[in-house]
Amino acid sequence: GAGVSQSPSNKVTEKGKDVELRCDPISGHTALYWYRQSLGQGLEFLIYFQGNSAPDKSGLPSDRFSAERTGGSVSTLTIQRTQQEDSAVYLCASSPAAGVTEAFFGQGTRLTVV
Amino acid sequence: GDSVTQMEGPVTLSEEAFLTINCTYTATGYPSLFWYVQYPGEGLQLLLKATKADDKGSNKGFEATYRKETTSFHLEKGSVQVSDSAVYFCALSDPDTGRRALTFGSGTRLQVQP
Repeated sequence: GAGVSQSPSNKVTEKGKDVELRCDPISGHTALYWYRQSLGQGLEFLIYFQGNSAPDKSGLPSDRFSAERTGGSVSTLTIQRTQQEDSAVYLCASSPAAGVTEAFFGQGTRLTVV
Repeated sequence: GDSVTQMEGPVTLSEEAFLTINCTYTATGYPSLFWYVQYPGEGLQLLLKATKADDKGSNKGFEATYRKETTSFHLEKGSVQVSDSAVYFCALSDPDTGRRALTFGSGTRLQVQP
């Protein structure tokens, strides 16, 4: 596709349920990033992929959060046993190579945990 | 660790006013600096960047100069328009730390009134 695509655009889930968020990066981009944007806050780094491996997972807030990337393309961020504090916009970005000079962002998935 | 500090918003200006949004950073290495913009309902877009000291990034009438001596990258525009209303994020990339992802400030909301 022409840009980074994320789905769903909105997700409302009940506390305690698991959710999966999907990111389709720009074709050919080897680096992929997940960020979280809470209301009124900046962007919080979650995880970085280079190809299918994740050399930097330092931003994942707890073991309820995990992510994978397959085929060097699509990535899925999974949140298990969601909590209300997980409510945020989850942003995915990709860039052509590691050592990012510019990252291209998707429009995000707005997650609301009720 | 690395960090980015931006002036708090919202910043409210009349059309054709001069804009400055302050950004300062703390970095271990020699970072690249960026301004991203998020228009209402859209994803983050790169506005401009600078990769070394004294470089000036510019785009759409916006400018920012990389000042190593003051560790700053302030965003300026001589005459704002209503269409510039958005949230602006200052960010840095510091591969010397091993972190491949961008580090963002908290964002500054700009509201331009006709």
